[in-house]
Amino acid sequence: GAGVSQTPSNKVTEKGKYVELRCDPISGHTALYWYRQSLGQGPEFLIYFQGTGAADDSGLPNDRFFAVRPEGSVSTLKIQRTERGDSAVYLCASSLGLFQFFGPGTRLTVL
Amino acid sequence: KQEVTQIPAALSVPEGENLVLNCSFTDSAIYNLQWFRQDPGKGLTSLLLIQSSQREQTSGRLNASLDKSSGRSTLYIAASQPGDSATYLCAVRAGANSKLTFGKGITLSVRP
Repeated sequence: GAGVSQTPSNKVTEKGKYVELRCDPISGHTALYWYRQSLGQGPEFLIYFQGTGAADDSGLPNDRFFAVRPEGSVSTLKIQRTERGDSAVYLCASSLGLFQFFGPGTRLTVL
Repeated sequence: KQEVTQIPAALSVPEGENLVLNCSFTDSAIYNLQWFRQDPGKGLTSLLLIQSSQREQTSGRLNASLDKSSGRSTLYIAASQPGDSATYLCAVRAGANSKLTFGKGITLSVRP
């Protein structure tokens, strides 16, 4: 595709459930980033992949959050035992150099 | 730890006005600085990127400047239009492939 795509666009779940958020980067982009944006805030870094490996996961808030990129393309962000505080827009970006190109985000609501 | 500040949080101006949006950062050892636009419920659109060795970048009615030593950047918007209404975010990067550190953004409203 022409840009970064994220699915689903919206996800509503109940407290304690498991969710998976998917990111399809721009073809050929080796770097992939996940950010989380809460209402009224700027995006906050979660994790960065270079190829298949997580080069920097310092932004993951706790061990309920995990992300994979098994073939160096699509990435999945996984959240276990969701909490109401996890409600936010989860943004994915991919990059081949200077610019990070952002997807439209997944709005996660935990009831 | 790098911190990026954007003040004020919101700004309302009449159409046609020239305006300046400010961004400050605490650690001057940056690789580049980027300005983004975000429309409600949408992702981020990159407007301008300034490398650490550069002083400014221009695109159409937009001009971004960078004073790395003082930890400041400004985004100048000339002849503002209602279509410029959006949230403008500033972000800095410490290295070539490192994360972006964002400010909270400035929500701009341009009144017709």
